Amino acid sequence: GAGVSQSPSNKVTEKGKDVELRCDPISGHTALYWYRQSLGQGLEFLIYFQGNSAPDKSGLPSDRFSAERTGGSVSTLTIQRTQQEDSAVYLCASSSPGRRLSGANVLTFGAGSRLTVL
Amino acid sequence: KQEVTQIPAALSVPEGENLVLNCSFTDSAIYNLQWFRQDPGKGLTSLLLIQSSQREQTSGRLNASLDKSSGRSTLYIAASQPGDSATYLCAVNGGATNKLIFGTGTLLAVQP
Repeated sequence: GAGVSQSPSNKVTEKGKDVELRCDPISGHTALYWYRQSLGQGLEFLIYFQGNSAPDKSGLPSDRFSAERTGGSVSTLTIQRTQQEDSAVYLCASSSPGRRLSGANVLTFGAGSRLTVL
Repeated sequence: KQEVTQIPAALSVPEGENLVLNCSFTDSAIYNLQWFRQDPGKGLTSLLLIQSSQREQTSGRLNASLDKSSGRSTLYIAASQPGDSATYLCAVNGGATNKLIFGTGTLLAVQP
């Protein structure tokens, strides 16, 4: 597609349930990032994929959070046993390969998935 | 650990005014710095990217400057319009993974 697609756009769930958030990056973008934006907070880095591997998952807040990427394309962020503090907008971004100084590393963001845990 | 701060947190100006948004970062070892715009309920739109070797970038009414040694960047918006109302975020890229560290943003309201 022309941009980064995320689904669902909105998700309301009950505490304790598992949720899956999906990101479909721009075709050909090998790098994919997940961020979280909580109310009144800045964007918090969660995890970075290069291809199907995740060399940096340092931002995942707990072992309830996991993410995978298959075929170098779609990524899924899974939150198990959701808690109210997980309520946030989860943003996905992708960037193309290429030399860092060429400007090819500009990140393109999706519209986000708003998660509300009751 | 890199920390990014933006001031002011919120700004309200009348239409037509020129304005400056500020961003500061604690670790000057960055590859580049980006300014984004975020509209309510929407994703982020990249406005300007400044490489570490550059001092400024311009796009239309927007001009971003970078002073790496002092850990500062500014976003200058000329002749502001109500359509400029949004949250503006700066983000620094300090590593090989292209991971961005974001500031908390400046909420701009341009009054008609």
